[in-house]
Amino acid sequence: QQQVKQSPQSLIVQKGGISIINCAYENTAFDYFPWYQQFPGKGPALLIAIRPDVSEKKEGRFTISFNKSAKQFSLHIMDSQPGDSATYFCAASNGAGSYQLTFGKGTKLSVIP
Amino acid sequence: EPEVTQTPSHQVTQMGQEVILRCVPISNHLYFYWYRQILGQKVEFLVSFYNNEISEKSEIFDDQFSVERPDGSNFTLKIRSTKLEDSAMYFCASSADGQLDQHFGDGTRLSIL
Repeated sequence: QQQVKQSPQSLIVQKGGISIINCAYENTAFDYFPWYQQFPGKGPALLIAIRPDVSEKKEGRFTISFNKSAKQFSLHIMDSQPGDSATYFCAASNGAGSYQLTFGKGTKLSVIP
Repeated sequence: EPEVTQTPSHQVTQMGQEVILRCVPISNHLYFYWYRQILGQKVEFLVSFYNNEISEKSEIFDDQFSVERPDGSNFTLKIRSTKLEDSAMYFCASSADGQLDQHFGDGTRLSIL
C-alpha cells in the first residue's frame, strides 16, 4: 500500500533526446509527488514536485505528468544533456499527518553524446 | 542558496559502539527528518521531528536510535549500539512546513566494522 514503483531501473538516452521515467502508487491518500536527482556521493536534490490538483507541471526542461485516475506520474526530461546523467527518484507523501517521503527504487539515467 | 549540512561525511565505527551523526538544517526550517540509503537501494524514511518531539518514525527506527535537537541549530541522530546492518548513507533533511519541499544534505556514510 505504501510502495511507489518506479521504472525503468536504468535508461540510456542520446544527447538531445527525451528521457521518460515512470512511477506508480497504490495509496490514494498520497497528495504530494516530488522528484529528486542524485549524483554519486551527493544527497538527493529536489528537482520538481506536483500535487494532484494539476495534471502537469513544467520547470525548464523538466516536466511532471500526473494521472490521478491511473495513479501514475512521470518525469520527462526534454533535450537531455550529459550533465543530466544521474539517478532519479520519485517519491510520494501523504500530507494528512504524515510527511514522510516514500521513495521509488530509482532510475539511473545515462545521457550519451 | 541555503543548504543542509551534515558531519562527518564518513564515519567508521566498531560494531557495538555508539555513533552520533550531526546535521545543521536550513535555518528557518521547522521540520527535520532522517533517512537512510543502503548501498544500491532506495532511500528509506527513519524519523521526522517537529517542535522538539518525534512526529513519526518507521519500523527501522527502533530503541537503538534516538534524535535530538540540542540547540537552535543542530539536529542529531544517535545509534546507541551499532550493528553491521546499520552500515548505510544517512541523510538529514529539513522543510519549512511539513507539507512543503524537503531539502536533503549530502549525507554521512556510516561504515560498521
